[in-house]
Amino acid sequence: QVQLQESGPGLVKPSETLSLTCTVSGDSISTSYWSWIRQPPGKGLEWIAYIYHSGSTNYNPSLQSRVTISLDTSKNQFSLKLSSVTAADTAVYFCAKGGNWFDPWGQGALVTVSS
Amino acid sequence: NFMLTQPHSVSESPGETVTISCTRSSGTIATNYVQWYQQRPGSAPTTVIYEDNQRPSGVPDRFSGSIDSSSNSASLTVSGLKTEDEADYYCQSYDSSNRVVFGGGTKLTVL
Repeated sequence: QVQLQESGPGLVKPSETLSLTCTVSGDSISTSYWSWIRQPPGKGLEWIAYIYHSGSTNYNPSLQSRVTISLDTSKNQFSLKLSSVTAADTAVYFCAKGGNWFDPWGQGALVTVSS
Repeated sequence: NFMLTQPHSVSESPGETVTISCTRSSGTIATNYVQWYQQRPGSAPTTVIYEDNQRPSGVPDRFSGSIDSSSNSASLTVSGLKTEDEADYYCQSYDSSNRVVFGGGTKLTVL
């Protein structure tokens, strides 16, 4: 079955760039849509962005100026970069298959923004 | 853009039926599909309903989804409640530009 796994630094300093990678197994990222969603501690879900296998993207308007999502088909991975982070960006970051809805999800990666 | 509003919490006894609402603030609820996710503590969300009323394989038929145009809302109904159903539930839809919107989540307590 399809499995997704997030990876990346768990601690990022304020004003720096958060970088996460999602490795997909059991499916090819050269099909379908692939997304990032985050959840601040104790709070609800927030959609960040999705990318289509063609490379077309769609971003949450509230984050668009700071977010880049990309594909690496050779590694069957997709990635997230969020620049100029602040403490408000501290969250569990999930990757997921899908664009309009999401299934399955990765287990999530906690990223803390702190000096 | 629109918002999806859910009750903060609901509670019910084992064996009973509970319904969680999800009200769209603007635009028509039927315009774009609604999904429902279950999230247990410390775990990633899983889909219990997609495309308004479809159940993924493996989700018990105790879970059902519906749309009510008169109240501009979607609902998730869980019947025959079990203690294992205790979790947070999120509704989700998208707008005409395919930008995704989540509801704020509802904590279901099975007493």
